[in-house]
Amino acid sequence: DTGVSQDPRHKITKRGQNVTFRCDPISEHNRLYWYRQTLGQGPEFLTYFQNEAQLEKSRLLSDRFSAERPKGSFSTLEIQRTEQGDSAMYLCASSTHRDTHTEAFFGQGTRLTVV
Amino acid sequence: DAKTTQPNSMESNEEEPVHLPCNHSTISGTDYIHWYRQLPSQGPEYVIHGLTSNVNNRMASLAIAEDRKSSTLILHRATLRDAAVYYCILGLNSGYSTLTFGKGTMLLVSP
Repeated sequence: DTGVSQDPRHKITKRGQNVTFRCDPISEHNRLYWYRQTLGQGPEFLTYFQNEAQLEKSRLLSDRFSAERPKGSFSTLEIQRTEQGDSAMYLCASSTHRDTHTEAFFGQGTRLTVV
Repeated sequence: DAKTTQPNSMESNEEEPVHLPCNHSTISGTDYIHWYRQLPSQGPEYVIHGLTSNVNNRMASLAIAEDRKSSTLILHRATLRDAAVYYCILGLNSGYSTLTFGKGTMLLVSP
């Protein structure tokens, strides 16, 4: 396994269009996270899954955003009716759930530009 | 979440040690201190973590003050590949908790 994979790496869309991003976590990881990062800022948490259950959502995740992880493996993040303010890097991370410390592994992200 | 304070940027020369400070005066007793870094055009990557004792790994060392209100990430010999934004983050075991990133410290390394 080569790590967390995100697709596409770049997406340019017109305002008002819907977009969907995919994240493939490390295979044995049961936790999956979505973050958003704008220029000059650190990543901001959006939501996370344990297996197929979405356990937490940030206030940043407006009604136009929806995330799924249907079989506890890959995840999708959809943004409906995109706005220019949605332009950002969308990062996915995965980790395992263990008693001892484990790190979060991040993908390279999907850069969204809304024009 | 407890807040951390880091300098916006630091500069270093290649092959020299780098000490990246982080203040976290409101740290709670259960907060781990995590360091992640983000290379240009990459997602963040784990560097090191600690609770109370100083820690070493192949990437770096973490020195934690006795009162745990500050910590220092030490890169023993900076290379050009260490140029990145370094984030100091407090929280539970990052394997099963979300990470709250600040703006971090941008480390510039000169040849």
